[in-house]
Amino acid sequence: AQSVAQPEDQVNVAEGNPLTVKCTYSVSGNPYLFWYVQYPNRGLQFLLKYITGDNLVKGSYGFEAEFNKSQTSFHLKKPSALVSDSALYFCAVRLTDSWGKLQFGAGTQVVVTP
Amino acid sequence: DTAVSQTPKYLVTQMGNDKSIKCEQNLGHDTMYWYKQDSKKFLKIMFSYNNKELIINETVPNRFSPKSPDKAHLNLHINSLELGDSAVYFCASSPRGQGALNTIYFGEGSWLTVV
Repeated sequence: AQSVAQPEDQVNVAEGNPLTVKCTYSVSGNPYLFWYVQYPNRGLQFLLKYITGDNLVKGSYGFEAEFNKSQTSFHLKKPSALVSDSALYFCAVRLTDSWGKLQFGAGTQVVVTP
Repeated sequence: DTAVSQTPKYLVTQMGNDKSIKCEQNLGHDTMYWYKQDSKKFLKIMFSYNNKELIINETVPNRFSPKSPDKAHLNLHINSLELGDSAVYFCASSPRGQGALNTIYFGEGSWLTVV
């Protein structure tokens, strides 16, 4: 079965410090990986995705993610966190059938303190 | 100019009632979805339609019935609401073709509370 895991329920970081949100995956075949962010009482916003090509993927709001095939990981990173980055972050794998439903991780709450 | 819009955003209703959530996308996408986010924030797909045709139907009680009058709309009707139906329901859409490569775009969510 294809799945993603987010090992941390919450990540706390001070504003200005680097932010990393971890994600590992288990898929058969090529992984199609996504990151979404959910701000309080809002919908899910797409941040970035890895389909193929460069292992470092750049996305919205200064976020990037590094695909590591040997470690089956797709960690989300931001060099300098902002208080406004406080939100719930979801890693997801898109299943490889043609209709490609998303399988989400449990989510990681990011808290950025001033 | 909202891409995926759903109404209502908040809904409080009594057990046993029937309610509907409407969804519309103006992105020209062929595929639409309903996802459910439970109280632990876990997200799970419920249904997917492509060009008005049901293509994904996860293990969802028969009380939930999606309806797609055209490819830009996917409504969710829930009969005989139960306390456990309280959740956030997200509508989403994506282009067709090379399905796994395409991004799925979500609406703002509909917060359903059953009392």
